[in-house]
Amino acid sequence: NAGVTQTPKFQVLKTGQSMTLQCAQDMNHNSMYWYRQDPGMGLRLIYYSASEGTTDKGEVPNGYNVSRLNKREFSLRLESAAPSQTSVYFCASSEDFRVGAFFGQGTRLTVV
Amino acid sequence: GQQVMQIPQYQHVQEGEDFTTYCNSSTTLSNIQWYKQRPGGHPVFLIQLVKSGEVKKQKRLTFQFGEAKKNSSLHITATQTTDVGTYFCAGPGTGGFKTIFGAGTRLFVKA
Repeated sequence: NAGVTQTPKFQVLKTGQSMTLQCAQDMNHNSMYWYRQDPGMGLRLIYYSASEGTTDKGEVPNGYNVSRLNKREFSLRLESAAPSQTSVYFCASSEDFRVGAFFGQGTRLTVV
Repeated sequence: GQQVMQIPQYQHVQEGEDFTTYCNSSTTLSNIQWYKQRPGGHPVFLIQLVKSGEVKKQKRLTFQFGEAKKNSSLHITATQTTDVGTYFCAGPGTGGFKTIFGAGTRLFVKA
């Protein structure tokens, strides 16, 4: 089993460009999450989806949008990238929010 | 809003020394989760505690959940270089079906 798969692993964008980060899980989990990790800041929740068909804002949603395409896939879109969005992005999934989550390998995004 | 705080932010130890990181929540938690992230890697789920006063062990790691379910600790006995990384605690966020992470404690082990 692959677990949680994120693509791409690395990306460099110019300010103002858009892109979509893809995430897929093969564990039949209900909940999926997008976090960003900046040095010394821990993991901050951007958006989450408690179940297929629902999405909600986390701690730092500004500048992002998400789509829960189906139970397996949860994408994160940056409409107009800014240097402040330079970070490592992690997708995660869990059976529900009350149990431990499995993380993808991360996407290292640089906005210049 | 809800906060999950961890101390210390960094800890340098000599191999063989013990290490403890503490996690404190501003609200009562239904459960607490612990994760480990190796340098350059992704967070890996270690364990979940649910009951007040619960203590669980994984080899040299001991996890404890406070009686009031607002604090937790992770203790590593006789650290090894393989213990290097950042240890995060996390708990359910209030007002939604989400998980909130502490800022983490980064452990450095000198051989």
